[in-house]
Amino acid sequence: QVQLQQSGPGLVKPSQTLSLTCAISGDSIFSNSAAWNWIRQSPSRGLEWLGRTYYMSKWYNDYAVSVKSRITISPDTSQNQVSLQLNSVTPEDTAVYYCARYTYNGYAMDVWGQGTTVTVSS
Amino acid sequence: DIQMTQSPSSLSASVGDRVTITCRASQSINTYLNWYQQKPGKAPRLLIYAASSLQSRVPSRFRGSGSGTDFTLTITSLQPEDFATYYCQQSYSTPMYTFGQGTKLEIK
Repeated sequence: QVQLQQSGPGLVKPSQTLSLTCAISGDSIFSNSAAWNWIRQSPSRGLEWLGRTYYMSKWYNDYAVSVKSRITISPDTSQNQVSLQLNSVTPEDTAVYYCARYTYNGYAMDVWGQGTTVTVSS
Repeated sequence: DIQMTQSPSSLSASVGDRVTITCRASQSINTYLNWYQQKPGKAPRLLIYAASSLQSRVPSRFRGSGSGTDFTLTITSLQPEDFATYYCQQSYSTPMYTFGQGTKLEIK
């Protein structure tokens, strides 16, 4: 059974960097049938896809235009986990952040982390 | 970006009712349409993928249909645990996966 376990701080100061980790169990980060995504949810934006990383002979990343200049998603192959960094945060980045596995076997997000509520406030 | 529009935004129904939620895409997405259920304080849960395929361990009272731009999620004989918010999501324009705004299903 695949599980995603998120960790990271729930409070970040404006202009600082939001950092979250998603530990993968039951699957390999190198899976050729999956991509590892970060999605956030807020009342104002709804569910918003932020970006993904995936391995296909080498590592690839894709990011949403809305955060492209501020976001980095990185694989940690030694720990079988994926990290999210979002720089220069503002209160508008306050949201629940989820990691999710996208499977090419159904073209859907079939496994989700538990979510991390992140508040941007001084 | 492909826009996804759900209707209604909220819906009241009773246990045992049959309900239908619709989702419309701003352009054709073939059958690259997924449905998720979300309960308060929980992550979304995949119910239906590829417009009509039932995810493992999801009860058969959940049914998806449609192709192109118009899709429906039908729940036959509502159960108490089905009261939640439902989202559609397109996976045609990869990786710019966009979600609908949600339909909140409440107990009448």
